[in-house]
Amino acid sequence: DGGITQSPKYLFRKEGQNVTLSCEQNLNHDAMYWYRQDPGQGLRLIYYSQIVNDFQKGDIAEGYSVSREKKESFPLTVTSAQKNPTAFYLCASSIGQGARYEQYFGPGTRLTVT
Amino acid sequence: GQQLNQSPQSMFIQEGEDVSMNCTSSSIFNTWLWYKQDPGEGPVLLIALYKAGELTSNGRLTAQFGITRKDSFLNISASIPSDVGIYFCAGQLYTNAGKSTFGDGTTLTVKP
Repeated sequence: DGGITQSPKYLFRKEGQNVTLSCEQNLNHDAMYWYRQDPGQGLRLIYYSQIVNDFQKGDIAEGYSVSREKKESFPLTVTSAQKNPTAFYLCASSIGQGARYEQYFGPGTRLTVT
Repeated sequence: GQQLNQSPQSMFIQEGEDVSMNCTSSSIFNTWLWYKQDPGEGPVLLIALYKAGELTSNGRLTAQFGITRKDSFLNISASIPSDVGIYFCAGQLYTNAGKSTFGDGTTLTVKP
């Protein structure tokens, strides 16, 4: 049963703490992405990775960090430098070949920082 | 960066009615994608469009890639209660390695 898993579904942290969100895919996709979604808004790209050991900043990378040590995994760390971290975080992957970059999303992690 | 204008922002319709929504951009895209998101879940891909003028159906859903490459439309025929959700359009450029620009979404409410 192929897909993208994100854990946990809900995450609570105190302000000033770093937190890492998990994203795993078994679709054998090359490319992976992290998006942030705020209420009533579309998705904004945080980071993306086209291949293992390589990643690029998206539109709102400040205060976030990622790693891509394995093809299946693309964890996102929300650091204490992120000024407004409370949001719904979505991970996605795509085949990443030719013109076929349609993205498939995980179920999301809702992060609340107080 | 590129901006997508998605309209309408929200729709309230009666079950059985048809629905139309659209996305427009000031610049061209090579690929248009349409997603549906249920509350608290990740978006699900509905339709992908790769060619200007292309018209593609998925059940009661039909989407078109505008001939100018700057817009796309999604139609839902004979709406049912499970169509409720947020519909997003997204545009991609070949040169951007899959980076998608998303619209702000159309929230659809279907009254039984």
